[in-house]
Amino acid sequence: EVQLVESGGGLVKPGGSLRLSCAASGFTFSTYSMNWVRQAPGKGLEWVSSISSSSNYIYYADSMKGRFTISRDNAKNSLFLQLNSLRADDTAVYYCARAIGLVPRFDYWGQGTLVTVSS
Amino acid sequence: QSALTQPASVSGSPGQSITISCTGTSSDVGSYNLVSWYQQHPGKAPKLMIYEGSKRPSGVSNRFSGSKSGNTASLTISGLQAEDEADYYCCSYTGSSTLVFGGGTKLTVL
Repeated sequence: EVQLVESGGGLVKPGGSLRLSCAASGFTFSTYSMNWVRQAPGKGLEWVSSISSSSNYIYYADSMKGRFTISRDNAKNSLFLQLNSLRADDTAVYYCARAIGLVPRFDYWGQGTLVTVSS
Repeated sequence: QSALTQPASVSGSPGQSITISCTGTSSDVGSYNLVSWYQQHPGKAPKLMIYEGSKRPSGVSNRFSGSKSGNTASLTISGLQAEDEADYYCCSYTGSSTLVFGGGTKLTVL
């Protein structure tokens, strides 16, 4: 059974940093592109970033470029998102999602981890 | 990249059909038949319902269908059921290896 379990969320002050993790199981992690998608409270989904299976290709939404860094460790079946210079509008549930297809679609999602940016 | 435009809400009675639109630009929806649709129940993770415009993943009911005309993609749900009540999001490839979601549509089954 495919499972994606996020962790690392919490309360952080504006300007602070946080590192999110996503532990994958039930599939060959090293062969799939992975993504982060976030959802502010009561708001819609927002694509954050993607990373190819071997980390050769990395992309970010414009509003996250320079502040967020996606990475993965295929040996540990783990996906990461480093969040820096956090702002109040980064408050959201962050989901990791497995991508399939030449144009990615997300067939499995984690349950999400909540990041709250507040003083 | 601006979010795709969806109606904030739609509603329908059990057994009826509804359509949710998703309007983008010639740089995203209009250039590629690569829109996907996700269903999200409250407090749950999204679920893939349609991909590449009109394809259904295994296990998704054939009551769900997708189409596209110009810069607008559409999700149609026929034979509405109470369990279809949820939020629906479209998502499009933008051509610069990035993705953009729509603002979401709340479906109410009356």
